[in-house]
Amino acid sequence: AQKVTQAQTEISVVEKEDVTLDCVYETRDTTYYLFWYKQPPSGELVFLIRRNSFDEQNEISGRYSWNFQKSTSSFNFTITASQVVDSAVYFCALQTGANNLFFGTGTRLTVIP
Amino acid sequence: DSGVTQTPKHLITATGQRVTLRCSPRSGDLSVYWYQQSLDQGLQFLIQYYNGEERAKGNILERFSAQQFPDLHSELNLSSLELGDSALYFCASSEPPGRLNTEAFFGQGTRLTVV
Repeated sequence: AQKVTQAQTEISVVEKEDVTLDCVYETRDTTYYLFWYKQPPSGELVFLIRRNSFDEQNEISGRYSWNFQKSTSSFNFTITASQVVDSAVYFCALQTGANNLFFGTGTRLTVIP
Repeated sequence: DSGVTQTPKHLITATGQRVTLRCSPRSGDLSVYWYQQSLDQGLQFLIQYYNGEERAKGNILERFSAQQFPDLHSELNLSSLELGDSALYFCASSEPPGRLNTEAFFGQGTRLTVV
């Protein structure tokens, strides 16, 4: 069975602080993809990143970075120098051979000015 | 803008009624997915179509049905609506021709309120 756990329900940080959102996944498949999506207050789901299970290289995109560790089944997301516009709910998701996404319960990030 | 269009954006209807949600995928994408986001269940996969054929089924109720038309747009039909069906319904698309298992891009969602 597939499962994604985002243990942090809500996080608040002050603007310019760094913040890490945790994601732990479970799957028996050896080939899978991991995703992060952002859901701002307006409600849409915005794609941020996709990594496949064979690529454990960390990735950086501007203020965003992702740390994928197969040994701990984790795919954590760090925002550096947070901004008010980063306030949103962030979802981690897992995709296996079935193609559809299994989402975590999301982490609500509030960045305080 | 993800390129996925959902209509209507908001829908308010009474219990027992039937509604149809519409989704236009990104140009050329062959796969369409439907997801439901509710407060108690979170984001849940309902159903997937690929080039007009049902490919995968998730936690979709028997009162719900979907189809994908030859022009690749999709409709989700919800009938005998109950208060608990109130949710945000997302459509997503992926897999342009020749590329399998690509990332899914989501529409803005249809917020359904059943009163």
